[in-house]
Amino acid sequence: GAGVSQSPRYKVAKRGQDVALRCDPISGHVSLFWYQQALGQGPEFLTYFQNEAQLDKSGLPSDRFFAERPEGSVSTLKIQRTQQEDSAVYLCASSFNPLAVGYTFGSGTRLTVV
Amino acid sequence: KQEVTQIPAALSVPEGENLVLNCSFTDSAIYNLQWFRQDPGKGLTSLLLIQSSQREQTSGRLNASLDKSSGRSTLYIAASQPGDSATYLCAVYRVGGGADGLTFGKGTHLIIQP
Repeated sequence: GAGVSQSPRYKVAKRGQDVALRCDPISGHVSLFWYQQALGQGPEFLTYFQNEAQLDKSGLPSDRFFAERPEGSVSTLKIQRTQQEDSAVYLCASSFNPLAVGYTFGSGTRLTVV
Repeated sequence: KQEVTQIPAALSVPEGENLVLNCSFTDSAIYNLQWFRQDPGKGLTSLLLIQSSQREQTSGRLNASLDKSSGRSTLYIAASQPGDSATYLCAVYRVGGGADGLTFGKGTHLIIQP
């Protein structure tokens, strides 16, 4: 597609509920990143994929967070047993060559845990 | 650990003024620096990418400079317009960053008064 697509655009979850957030990167983009952005803050790194390989997941805040990209294209970020502190905007970014052309971000999924 | 600071945190100016947004980073070993714009409730739009070998980049009324040795970048906006109102984020991609990717500042919230 023309850009990075994320769905759903908004998600309200009851505390304890599991959620799944989807990212469709630009076709052909090898690198895919997930970021978490709390209100009034800059995005914080969560995890990184190169093709289907998850090369770094050091930013995931707890073992309730899980990400996958099984075929090297679409990625899913799953949060189990959501807590209020998980409320944030979750941004996905992809790139063909980050060093040369930088990143393209999606519009994000705003998660609110009530 | 790389830290990125943006000053000021917020800025409100009348339409037509030229303005400068500042970004500083603690580790000068970076590959590139990218300026983004974020509108309320939206994702990030890339404005300018400066590679470490470059000193500046220009796009329309925007000019970004990079001084790696001092760990500073500035975003210059000429003849500001109300449509420039947004949050501006600076991010660096560090050498050997691997999967850590981009480190963001907290942003400058800019309001251009009509």
